Amino acid sequence: NAGVTQTPKFRVLKTGQSMTLLCAQDMNHEYMYWYRQDPGMGLRLIHYSVGEGTTAKGEVPDGYNVSRLKKQNFLLGLESAAPSQTSVYFCASSLRTPRSTDTQYFGPGTRLTVL
Amino acid sequence: GESVGLHLPTLSVQEGDNSIINCAYSNSASDYFIWYKQESGKGPQFIIDIRSNMDKRQGQRVTVLLNKTVKHLSLQIAATQPGDSAVYFCAERRMDSSYKLIFGSGTRLLVRP
Repeated sequence: NAGVTQTPKFRVLKTGQSMTLLCAQDMNHEYMYWYRQDPGMGLRLIHYSVGEGTTAKGEVPDGYNVSRLKKQNFLLGLESAAPSQTSVYFCASSLRTPRSTDTQYFGPGTRLTVL
Repeated sequence: GESVGLHLPTLSVQEGDNSIINCAYSNSASDYFIWYKQESGKGPQFIIDIRSNMDKRQGQRVTVLLNKTVKHLSLQIAATQPGDSAVYFCAERRMDSSYKLIFGSGTRLLVRP
C-alpha cells in the first residue's frame, strides 16, 4: 500500500513550456486534491475532485487544469508555465466527502521551478 | 521542502520539555480542525483532529485544545523529541466553503538536544 504517490519529484521548466504532474492513490479514496505550497503561505487549494470524471476549482485555479479519468489518478496540467508557478505541489486524497471527518493524506510533493 | 519555512514563526524547545503550538482561526462556521506535521522535503502528515463539539482530544503524546470563544487551537506535544522537529500546520474546515480545508501558514518547531 503506497498511499499517495506523485511524479515527478522535481522539474525545471522554461517559461511557456507545458507539463503534467501525476498523482496516484491506492486507497480507493473518492476525493483528491491539488495544492501548492509557497514560503510563508501554507497550502492553497488549486483544484479538487469529488470522484472519477469530476473536477472543481479551488482557491487558486488560474493557469492550471486537471483531469480525473480514473478514480486512482488525478492529473495537474500547466499549459504555459510562468515563473509565478514556481512552487512545491502536493496532491492529497480523502476517503469520502469532506462532510465527514476523513482526513486528507498527502503525497511527497513535486518541486517545480519555472525559469 | 527546505524553501518552505522561510519567515515562519519558530518555537525552540529543549528535548524532553513540553511544546505548545498555537493557531488562530477566523471563521466561526468551521466545524473540524486538523493538525499536520511536515518534515523537510516531505508532504504533510496527519497528527490529530478535533470536531467543533469538543474542546480537547488526546492522542499519543499529543493533545489538541479548541477554544471556540476566542477561535484558538493549540497542539501540545509532551516530552518533545528530536524527531518532532518539523513545521506544524493547523487546518480548519469551513462549512461555508464547501467543506474545503483552509491551512494556516505553519510554525516551525526546533528541538534542542
